[in-house]
Amino acid sequence: GIQVEQSPPDLILQEGANSTLRCNFSDSVNNLQWFHQNPWGQLINLFYIPSGTKQNGRLSATTVATERYSLLYISSSQTTDSGVYFCAVSLRDTGNQFYFGTGTSLTVIP
Amino acid sequence: DARVTQTPRHKVTEMGQEVTMRCQPILGHNTVFWYRQTMMQGLELLAYFRNRAPLDDSGMPKDRFSAEMPDATLATLKIQPSEPRDSAVYFCASGQRGGDTEAFFGQGTRLTVV
Repeated sequence: GIQVEQSPPDLILQEGANSTLRCNFSDSVNNLQWFHQNPWGQLINLFYIPSGTKQNGRLSATTVATERYSLLYISSSQTTDSGVYFCAVSLRDTGNQFYFGTGTSLTVIP
Repeated sequence: DARVTQTPRHKVTEMGQEVTMRCQPILGHNTVFWYRQTMMQGLELLAYFRNRAPLDDSGMPKDRFSAEMPDATLATLKIQPSEPRDSAVYFCASGQRGGDTEAFFGQGTRLTVV
């Protein structure tokens, strides 16, 4: 099956710092989403981004489908950004279910 | 505010008991996913429905787990009999046209089997 790798696995930032999270995938995908799982366990949609670049406030994401990777940028990080960030991809040929990466655990310290 | 609703939010049960988890997908979404999250395995797909028909339940232990969609507004996941290794957070998600479009997750059911 498809491999979805995220890096780094863990990240500790000082409040106000910027960061880049990476998601590599091993096959062509027809969909990619970024999620934030907050400390209460909720999975919150950040971006639906099968290709191109999107921005939402301090967060932005870029997917280069032809090179099989996606990047999530967090600027001016805040303590509320702490949690685990997942990317999930789907393949049309396998029925469109989502395959999740192992996540990047982010801790933002004041 | 459209959202996926899961009940119960928390469930503690004794080994051997039946557990039923429910999910109400977002109105108009025709695709429902069930995922299980554990520290060791991360997020695993258990079952996947489109237009109420099961398309893939290969991730589900067939001897004790079952998933159904009695109607378009309700999906259920049952475990009978439950075992301590089933302790996990179970998430339901819904979307339009499966993975072709954005999927939205419910808040999850945290199951503890003692």
